Amino acid sequence: QKEVEQDPGPLSVPEGAIVSLNCTYSNSAFQYFMWYRQYSRKGPELLMYTYSSGNKEDGRFTAQVDKSSKYISLFIRDSQPSDSATYLCAMSAGGTSYGKLTFGQGTILTVHP
Amino acid sequence: DTAVSQTPKYLVTQMGNDKSIKCEQNLGHDTMYWYKQDSKKFLKIMFSYNNKELIINETVPNRFSPKSPDKAHLNLHINSLELGDSAVYFCASSPITSGGVNEQFFGPGTRLTVL
Repeated sequence: QKEVEQDPGPLSVPEGAIVSLNCTYSNSAFQYFMWYRQYSRKGPELLMYTYSSGNKEDGRFTAQVDKSSKYISLFIRDSQPSDSATYLCAMSAGGTSYGKLTFGQGTILTVHP
Repeated sequence: DTAVSQTPKYLVTQMGNDKSIKCEQNLGHDTMYWYKQDSKKFLKIMFSYNNKELIINETVPNRFSPKSPDKAHLNLHINSLELGDSAVYFCASSPITSGGVNEQFFGPGTRLTVL
């Protein structure tokens, strides 16, 4: 079993839809939870991060972490064709681990006009 | 200005050959990484260097050898290439952290195809 599980999709939604992306994990030491976005043929880039449990909002994006369930989510409101990408969740224990990130498999999202 | 750059972008080679991938970052970061992304988009860390010192060395065959001549460069040399080495290899860098989130900045990737 992988430390971080993520449904690879693909997920196809119409423009304007609300998108929900999720990951589950097994390592209780994880404290930092990140979402990376990767456009086709590009490197991943950090979209947003959350420390421990709770919600964080940034424009149309909301990240949620439920440590008791070991479950994290990313919601995209009013999705746009430009949101079409692979979304990877990533986690780390922090501390002096020198930034070791454990990634989920990534969910391929297509938003069609 | 490119923050994290990799060369080459594409690499097609025969089984058994030896090849190198180069990475440079101009962000002034202390830590650099190599990741492998397979055909299913699964991104897995291979190595991490902090200020030229090897910090993370995941379960990677000995055929893979990273080298960091200075903290702005991290190269990856692969000996005796195998079909299973075909993947996209990403270099990344991050500032050193004493706890806290660690934002990693990724290069554009090197697409390696072994025939």
